[in-house]
Amino acid sequence: EVQLLESGGGLVQPGGSLRLSCAVSGLKFRRNVMTWVRQAPGKGLEWVSSISDSGVRTYYADSVKGRFTISRDNLNDTLFLQMNRLRVEDTAFYYCVKVREDYWGQGTLVIVSS
Amino acid sequence: DIQMTQSPSSLSASVGDRVTITCRASQGIGNDLGWYQQKPGKAPKRLIYGASSLDSGVPSRFSGSGSGTDFTLTISSLQPEDFATYYCLQHNTYPFTFGGGSKVEIK
Repeated sequence: EVQLLESGGGLVQPGGSLRLSCAVSGLKFRRNVMTWVRQAPGKGLEWVSSISDSGVRTYYADSVKGRFTISRDNLNDTLFLQMNRLRVEDTAFYYCVKVREDYWGQGTLVIVSS
Repeated sequence: DIQMTQSPSSLSASVGDRVTITCRASQGIGNDLGWYQQKPGKAPKRLIYGASSLDSGVPSRFSGSGSGTDFTLTISSLQPEDFATYYCLQHNTYPFTFGGGSKVEIK
């Protein structure tokens, strides 16, 4: 059974940092492109970032470029999202996603508020 | 960046109705489009991949069509469990982009 388990969400002040993790099991993690998608409360889905299987290539939405960094640990089957200079508008559920086969985690909530 | 314009943003329909939702891409994306259903408090679930292929376990009342810039999701006979929000996603070119969503409500 494929499982994607996000962690690391929480409450942070504007300008602060947070690191999300996604532990993946049940699939060959190192062979798969991985993605972060977010959803602000009551709003639509927003693609945030993707990373190639090797981790060499990374892609970002304009809204997070220069502030967020996606990375992966292929030895421990874990995906990361380092979020710096957080803004109120970054408040959302963050999902770890394997888009090609449609595997989603349960999401982790990030709240940016003073 | 490719913009995905989805319509309508919401609609009211009755059980048994035929429902059509469209997504238009700002430039050609081939058939690199998926349709997702999301219910409150749940992660999205994909219904259609490759613009027209039905995901495993998805009822046959759902269908997708289109290629290039214009895409359609059709529910042939709306069922009570279909009341949800639907999104398209283009994965042809980074940054990937979702449509704005279409909320299907009970009339």
